[in-house]
Formats: sequence, C-alpha cells, structure tokens
Amino acid sequence: DAGITQSPRHKVTETGTPVTLRCHQTENHRYMYWYRQDPGHGLRLIHYSYGVKDTDKGEVSDGYSVSRSKTEDFLLTLESATSSQTSVYFCAISVGQGSPDTQYFGPGTRLTVL
Amino acid sequence: GQQLNQSPQSMFIQEGEDVSMNCTSSSIFNTWLWYKQDPGEGPVLLIALYKAGELTSNGRLTAQFGITRKDSFLNISASIPSDVGIYFCAGSTSGTYKYIFGTGTRLKVLA
Repeated sequence: DAGITQSPRHKVTETGTPVTLRCHQTENHRYMYWYRQDPGHGLRLIHYSYGVKDTDKGEVSDGYSVSRSKTEDFLLTLESATSSQTSVYFCAISVGQGSPDTQYFGPGTRLTVL
Repeated sequence: GQQLNQSPQSMFIQEGEDVSMNCTSSSIFNTWLWYKQDPGEGPVLLIALYKAGELTSNGRLTAQFGITRKDSFLNISASIPSDVGIYFCAGSTSGTYKYIFGTGTRLKVLA
C-alpha cells in the first residue's frame, strides 16, 4: 500500500461547511496528489505537490485548496462544501527515480455533502 | 479535461476465458500504467510500462506499450472470479509528474 493513509475514511457534511481531508505517507516521497473519482469520469486530478509548500493545480481545482507543511502530510480543504463535491477522494504518491514515476494510491475518503 | 479512451467500458466473461482491453490517446505518452480497483478500495498498480513496444507480464496479466506510443493493451489469461473489478489505464508524458486516467473497464466474471 506504499504507506499511505487517508483520514477520515468516510464523512458526511452539510453544504457550506468547511472540510479538510488528510493524506499521510511514511516514506518521504516528494510528489503527492489529490484526485476525485466520480462515475463516468474516472480519476481526475485536483491538486498536487512537488515538495513542502510547493503545490500546483490540477484539472478540477476550483473550490479546493491544499497545503503541505511537512513532507509526510498533504491536506485537501473544501472551503465551503457543495453537493457537487460529493465524491470519493484519493491521495496518491509518486515513487521512482525518473519522470514520470509510478503512482500508488491510498484507500480513499468517501465524502457526502448534503 | 483530457482523458484517455478506454474500451470496452464493461464486459461479462466466463471463468477461464481470456480478456483483452485497451486504451488510446491523442497524445504521445512515455509511461503507461495499469491499475485494478476493487469496490471501496483504492486503485492497485498492476503493471508499469516505460518503452514503446514493451511487453510486461505480472502473473496472468500481460500489458503492452503500443509502438505508436498512443495506446496500450492489457490481457488477462484464464480469468478467475477474483479478477472482477474495474481496470484503469493511465498515461504520462516525460517531464511531467501528472497522469491522465482512462474511465475504466468494468470486468465481471461468470463462474
């Protein structure tokens, strides 16, 4: 499982509330990613990080922010959750020596916004 | 956003049959990855391909990096019930650390 954990694993929240999801890795890999998975869309990149305090947007970044203050933790925040953000969120890390590296995924967080 | 075309979208097969699926892209990729996802879990990496024409096996699974670098193929031989799941391809270009994912092939195996 490449030492990736996500928390919480399930969350139900209400529209307009802030939500933070956490991804933790144990192997000090430089690159970390947040994806969302929805039926018919596969996995879509939200944000990624290439080092502490270094982040960049993916294809579906609107409504999301991220932070990485330590190598091992990558946080995804929904500033004001909307029903369209109901999804399964996966964290991934990039492992290897070259570019691009292989990616390994965490177990996922199922988020429901009512 | 850009996505890979993965086919078929779903398939039912009999236990013991061989399975083939593929991904195509309008872009040239330098790396192809194949994943399997079981319900309620994250995708698990099956095979990674790094060179055009490369053929790599992992048990009963064999994947190929197309020579045009715009496609990849996954074959499963002698399918068994635990092969059930969703198979995803992902591609990336050199110099980037981002992958584009296919929409998945849902495989159902009939015992």
